[in-house]
Amino acid sequence: AQKVTQAQTEISVVEKEDVTLDCVYETRDTTYYLFWYKQPPSGELVFLIRRNSFDEQNEISGRYSWNFQKSTSSFNFTITASQVVDSAVYFCALQNQGGKLIFGQGTELSVKP
Amino acid sequence: DTEVTQTPKHLVMGMTNKKSLKCEQHMGHRAMYWYKQKAKKPPELMFVYSYEKLSINESVPSRFSPECPNSSLLNLHLHALQPEDSALYLCASSPQGAQAPYEQYFGPGTRLTVT
Repeated sequence: AQKVTQAQTEISVVEKEDVTLDCVYETRDTTYYLFWYKQPPSGELVFLIRRNSFDEQNEISGRYSWNFQKSTSSFNFTITASQVVDSAVYFCALQNQGGKLIFGQGTELSVKP
Repeated sequence: DTEVTQTPKHLVMGMTNKKSLKCEQHMGHRAMYWYKQKAKKPPELMFVYSYEKLSINESVPSRFSPECPNSSLLNLHLHALQPEDSALYLCASSPQGAQAPYEQYFGPGTRLTVT
């Protein structure tokens, strides 16, 4: 069975705090792909990152960074110095070999000024 | 052009109406998707078209009927819907066929209310 778990349903932080969103996945595939998407209140899902199972290098893009650890089946997302515009629902997803995206339940991040 | 567009943005329809949702992309993408999203839930896959052919139907009721007239356009025809079908309907596209490991690009969605 394939599954993505985002244990944090809601997180609230004050602007400029760092925040980490957790993602744990389950799959028996040896090749798989992991994604993070952001869904602001406007509704559109915005692609943030794709990572394949062979590439465990961490990635940094501006204030965003991702930590992929196959040993713990985790793909966590950290926002440094959070801003109000980061307020959104964040989804972690796993793509199976059939091409279907399996989403976690999402983490609603609220950044207060 | 790097976006997926969806029309209309909002739709209110009665249970006996027939309506259609439209999705368009001009990025040359070869896979297109329909998702349904209820409040506070992740998107649920409904249909996938790969190279203009229906490749996945996630056991969606026949009152939803997809159509892919060409590689840039995807429609979702609605007929005799139920109030529980009220949701945000999202369209997405990705560069290669549905099984290729590429990110999906989403449109802004159509917020559907069935009365």
